Amino acid sequence: DAGVTQSPTHLIKTRGQQVTLRCSPKSGHDTVSWYQQALGQGPQFIFQYYEEEERQRGNFPDRFSGHQFPNYSSELNVNALLLGDSALYLCASREYLDRGDSTDTQYFGPGTRLTVL
Amino acid sequence: GIQVEQSPPDLILQEGANSTLRCNFSDSVNNLQWFHQNPWGQLINLFYIPSGTKQNGRLSATTVATERYSLLYISSSQTTDSGVYFCAEHTGGFKTIFGAGTRLFVKA
Repeated sequence: DAGVTQSPTHLIKTRGQQVTLRCSPKSGHDTVSWYQQALGQGPQFIFQYYEEEERQRGNFPDRFSGHQFPNYSSELNVNALLLGDSALYLCASREYLDRGDSTDTQYFGPGTRLTVL
Repeated sequence: GIQVEQSPPDLILQEGANSTLRCNFSDSVNNLQWFHQNPWGQLINLFYIPSGTKQNGRLSATTVATERYSLLYISSSQTTDSGVYFCAEHTGGFKTIFGAGTRLFVKA
């Protein structure tokens, strides 16, 4: 069973360009979240997708947008790239199990490292 | 929203030593997780532990929900334990709030 996968692994862009990052959740998971991790910091929540709709959004500008497909995979798009967008972008899929004691666990992909020059 | 504080921020150990990492929360937690981020950036699930104690090999974790803290114990540390350890709360099925992390370096 494959875990969460992301592509590409690395990406170099210049200021003003646009970028698309891709994520496939773990098998059986239908909820995908995206995070930005700047160097030396913890991941920061960008947004979450469920049933092809954005369900919650963090404190990120509209330049950050996303999409979820019927197979639950997701894309993160960033327009008008700034130097400050350089970061590791992580995708996570959610596993919710309710067997008496419910558990709600996030599984993360390996990330895409974006460098903006 | 909930705030998550981790301590210490940095830790250097000699191989074989034991350590305790701490996570404090500003509010009650329901879905606390501990992660290890390896040098390549991959976040690896260690424990899902909203309360109680769990053990997995040389690692164990305890969450005291009523006192709003969680501890991660690493025994007989190895160089492969190096990396950043995060605690995080997955809030109400939506976003996950991370602490700033504890950066661990284990010397051979």
